[in-house]
Amino acid sequence: GAGVSQSPSNKVTEKGKDVELRCDPISGHTALYWYRQRLGQGLEFLIYFQGNSAPDKSGLPSDRFSAERTGESVSTLTIQRTQQEDSAVYLCASSPSSGRETQYFGPGTRLLVL
Amino acid sequence: QQQVKQSPQSLIVQKGGISIINCAYENTAFDYFPWYQQFPGKGPALLIAIRPDVSEKKEGRFTISFNKSAKQFSLHIMDSQPGDSATYFCAASISGFQKLVFGTGTRLLVSP
Repeated sequence: GAGVSQSPSNKVTEKGKDVELRCDPISGHTALYWYRQRLGQGLEFLIYFQGNSAPDKSGLPSDRFSAERTGESVSTLTIQRTQQEDSAVYLCASSPSSGRETQYFGPGTRLLVL
Repeated sequence: QQQVKQSPQSLIVQKGGISIINCAYENTAFDYFPWYQQFPGKGPALLIAIRPDVSEKKEGRFTISFNKSAKQFSLHIMDSQPGDSATYFCAASISGFQKLVFGTGTRLLVSP
């Protein structure tokens, strides 16, 4: 079956613009995660969705970052008024449930803010 | 206390050798410790994972060793192959809190 897909694969934007990043999780996976990976660094947790529960937003770095998820499907991560320090790879992952299940990662969206 | 410290940052091993990557954590509430493998341009993929009720887990050429008292765990890659050249991340999580806390990664190069 299809894995986690993300779009766009690359995004170049100007400082101050808003960007939207999309994630399509594996069908049937109820849990969805967003992480950020800066160049040469590990992954930083941003936000977690589980079914209809309130999302865990504890990793969002500022109020410029927000995310939504429609039911148990597509999620969108929005960054408003982008800054150069937002340049990173944004990775989405999904897992079958909220247990200690394997998280399956998408290929990421490479964001460059000029 | 949420950090996972990973070393070395980079590693060069000859083909057939043993690659060893180490991680340490502080938060004793962590109870799930996966290792992820990432190739350039790809997302990380789960390689192997361990829970603290066992001290070692082996899958093929990959072994996790876990030392609960020292709060350390390590990945051993036996008979390393050029195809193993990738970046490896250790991670940890707490039951009921689904986010993974990742180490900073180790770039492994296996020379032919």
